[in-house]
Amino acid sequence: QSVMKQPPSVSGAPGRRVTISCTGGSSNIGAGFDVHWYQQFPGTAPKLLIFANNNRPSSVPDRFSGSTSGTSASLVITGLQADDEADYYCQSYDSSLSAVVFGGGTKVTVL
Amino acid sequence: QVQLVESGGGVVQPGRSLRLACVASGFIFSDYGMHWVRQAPGKGLQWVGVISFDGRNKYYGDSVKGRFSISRDTSKNTVYLEMTSLRVEDTAIYFCAREDRQGLVSWLDPWGQGTLVMVSS
Repeated sequence: QSVMKQPPSVSGAPGRRVTISCTGGSSNIGAGFDVHWYQQFPGTAPKLLIFANNNRPSSVPDRFSGSTSGTSASLVITGLQADDEADYYCQSYDSSLSAVVFGGGTKVTVL
Repeated sequence: QVQLVESGGGVVQPGRSLRLACVASGFIFSDYGMHWVRQAPGKGLQWVGVISFDGRNKYYGDSVKGRFSISRDTSKNTVYLEMTSLRVEDTAIYFCAREDRQGLVSWLDPWGQGTLVMVSS
C-alpha cells in the first residue's frame, strides 16, 4: 500500500479539465516536503512533469499545473487532449520512513 | 543529451543474485546522486534506493534493505544495483534515475528506459 493515496482513475472529455489528488500525511506533504509529478505512457519510462510542487520543466505545456495544501497535492490538466492519456504519479519524501515515496498512480482516460 | 541506459536484467531463480548497471552520459556524473526505482508488472512505482554524488551515502527502501546494494564507478559513469537473495516479489522493471536538485529539494530526472528482472523457478 502506498503512503500517498491517489485515485486509481480519472476521466474527462477532450478540452475539459481534470484534477488528480495526492493525499499524504504529516510525515511527508504535511511536513513540508515538496511534491513532484511524473507522467508515464505504457511501456515507457516515467517522465518528470512537475517539480517542487508547481514548477514545470520547459518542455511541459502550461496545461499542466501543480499545487499543494496541507497534507495533499493536486495535479490539474486543462484543455485535455487525447495524448494526455497516461498514468500519473506523485512523489515526495517521508521522514518517518526516511524514504522517497510515490503515490499509487492515476490513470487518465480521455473520453 | 542526458541519457541513462540500464542493462543486466533477465530471468533468475529465487535466492540467486543479479547485478544491474546504469550507464550515464551527457552530464557530469560525479555531480549527481542516482536512484533506482522499480515497477512490478501492472503496478505502480516503488523506490529502491539512492547513492549520493560521492558514493558516501546510500539509503534503501524497507523491502530491499539488507539484500540490495547500490554502488557507483565514476571512471565508467556507471551506477550499479547488486541484488541478492532475490524473491519472486522482486520481479519488476528496474529504472535508474538522476537526482536533480535545487537546494534541499530534489526530484528524479531523467529516467532510463528500464531493465526487466524476472525472478522465477
